[in-house]
Amino acid sequence: SQQGEEDPQALSIQEGENATMNCSYKTSINNLQWYRQNSGRGLVHLILIRSNEREKHSGRLRVTLDTSKKSSSLLITASRAADTASYFCATDFQGAQKLVFGQGTRLTINP
Amino acid sequence: DTAVSQTPKYLVTQMGNDKSIKCEQNLGHDTMYWYKQDSKKFLKIMFSYNNKELIINETVPNRFSPKSPDKAHLNLHINSLELGDSAVYFCASSQGTVGYTFGSGTRLTVV
Repeated sequence: SQQGEEDPQALSIQEGENATMNCSYKTSINNLQWYRQNSGRGLVHLILIRSNEREKHSGRLRVTLDTSKKSSSLLITASRAADTASYFCATDFQGAQKLVFGQGTRLTINP
Repeated sequence: DTAVSQTPKYLVTQMGNDKSIKCEQNLGHDTMYWYKQDSKKFLKIMFSYNNKELIINETVPNRFSPKSPDKAHLNLHINSLELGDSAVYFCASSQGTVGYTFGSGTRLTVV
């Protein structure tokens, strides 16, 4: 399957701590994207990293990409209760014309 | 002003019925998608249209028929609904595969 795999499936941390989620994939990509889904809502695009980039920042988000290991990580620093959501990585595989989503990581921030 | 709007938000119907879900985007994007999210949160692409032309049909049963009257609209008609069709259906749009914008989803329950 081309589908990305995310690790861990669930993560529970205290407010203020950092949260790290990982994504692995199998074939060459054009870019990798991270999305957030709050309960009962649609997905919201967070950040995109291209295959020739190694790291990207957006506010409290930091994404890394290692194409040799076919993996990416999303770091959320100084977590807040409002960060509680499911986080999905999505890969734009070369020639695919679509995004393929991982199964997501359910992040719970405890106050 | 909602960027990608889909209706209805909830749909409860009996097995064997036919139902439609509508989607509209006001972003000027060329490509629209239907994704299905199952109870385990797996997101799987069903169809994509680029400027009214079908690009992707991911081996979806032919009871599912998408229709794109113009590039701002992509509707999904489902015939002879089955219990296994129960899921959340998301419409999305994009310009290329860079940063999808998702609707808020239609929760379909077949009883």
